[in-house]
Amino acid sequence: AQSVTQLDSQVPVFEEAPVELRCNYSSSVSVYLFWYVQYPNQGLQLLLKYLSGSTLVKGINGFEAEFNKSQTSFHLRKPSVHISDTAEYFCAVSGSGNTGKLIFGQGTTLQVKP
Amino acid sequence: DAGVTQSPTHLIKTRGQQVTLRCSPKSGHDTVSWYQQALGQGPQFIFQYYEEEERQRGNFPDRFSGHQFPNYSSELNVNALLLGDSALYLCASSLLGQGDYEQYFGPGTRLTVT
Repeated sequence: AQSVTQLDSQVPVFEEAPVELRCNYSSSVSVYLFWYVQYPNQGLQLLLKYLSGSTLVKGINGFEAEFNKSQTSFHLRKPSVHISDTAEYFCAVSGSGNTGKLIFGQGTTLQVKP
Repeated sequence: DAGVTQSPTHLIKTRGQQVTLRCSPKSGHDTVSWYQQALGQGPQFIFQYYEEEERQRGNFPDRFSGHQFPNYSSELNVNALLLGDSALYLCASSLLGQGDYEQYFGPGTRLTVT
């Protein structure tokens, strides 16, 4: 069975500082990996995805993530955060060939302080 | 281009009642997935519909059922509501076989069971 663990429930950071949100997964098959962001009272928006190829994936809003197969990790990074990045972030995994069932982590609340 | 829409936005029901939630997929999409997001948790996969049939199902009881119409829109029905069914219900659409595995989420329906 697949699972996703987001290692930090809350990450406070000052504006313009770098941030890393950590995600580890477990799966017995090759996977596709995703990061979604959820702003208050809204649905989920895709930040970036890893399907294959380059392990460094760039997404929207200046975010990037690196797929590390040996460590089964897919950490999300941003070199300089803004107040507007305050939101809930979810890491998700989908097994290869599985086009619908996303398994989500518990989420990490990013709190950007002025 | 309209994105994924869901109705209603909010809903309050009493234990034991039945509820129907509705979803219209993004234009051009043919697959609808439903997720339940309890407060403070990541979304959990309920089921997926394609070609008017349930294609995959998560670990949810038979009280949760669905339907997909010829225009690809979908309904989620929950019978015999329990307090624990209170959650944000998210609908996501995708194009089966597109190959990029991206799901587009709607804003959700907030269900409160009293």
